[in-house]
Amino acid sequence: GESVGLHLPTLSVQEGDNSIINCAYSNSASDYFIWYKQESGKGPQFIIDIRSNMDKRQGQRVTVLLNKTVKHLSLQIAATQPGDSAVYFCAENSAGNTGKLIFGQGTTLQVKP
Amino acid sequence: KAGVTQTPRYLIKTRGQQVTLSCSPISGHRSVSWYQQTPGQGLQFLFEYFSETQRNKGNFPGRFSGRQFSNSRSEMNVSTLELGDSALYLCASRPHENTEAFFGQGTRLTVV
Repeated sequence: GESVGLHLPTLSVQEGDNSIINCAYSNSASDYFIWYKQESGKGPQFIIDIRSNMDKRQGQRVTVLLNKTVKHLSLQIAATQPGDSAVYFCAENSAGNTGKLIFGQGTTLQVKP
Repeated sequence: KAGVTQTPRYLIKTRGQQVTLSCSPISGHRSVSWYQQTPGQGLQFLFEYFSETQRNKGNFPGRFSGRQFSNSRSEMNVSTLELGDSALYLCASRPHENTEAFFGQGTRLTVV
């Protein structure tokens, strides 16, 4: 079925290191992208978003990069902390596909103390 | 400001029964979407409602239905439950089109 794909199912990093989580999307018409974090037993939590007219957006300790040429999205987390351990999902939305987010399969981030 | 509230949090039903799940969006949000999350299929879009109208629907059988009330609260119903319907059902609300969707904690449905 349709999906936004993620390159790695699990990413293990040392506390304090930077993390990079990647995502490949398939719909070139997608114009809005979101990264979510999901902790065990909770719903997805919004981290950061980016629109297709941008290629980079920064938040607090997080940066999202968008490469429309190769349909690739990445989430960079600076100085990764134990509290960052969770499953991370990228999601895409296209104009006209009202209210529908297409999610990737998710990457599990494990932070080692 | 209260977040998205879903009730109940947990539910156990028997095959063949039906179930109704409830979602109260963030105050002022008129768009409500529903998603099914399973280990095998991930997060799959069910449907989206705006101002009491279904605007979009995912690839799920007709046993899955929903509605939205004038106060933007939404319900989804699954009839003739199957074992494969066991999942976490998530509701999300958003203030406008193409903005971030805020998710509730979900309802964990187990069909036995």
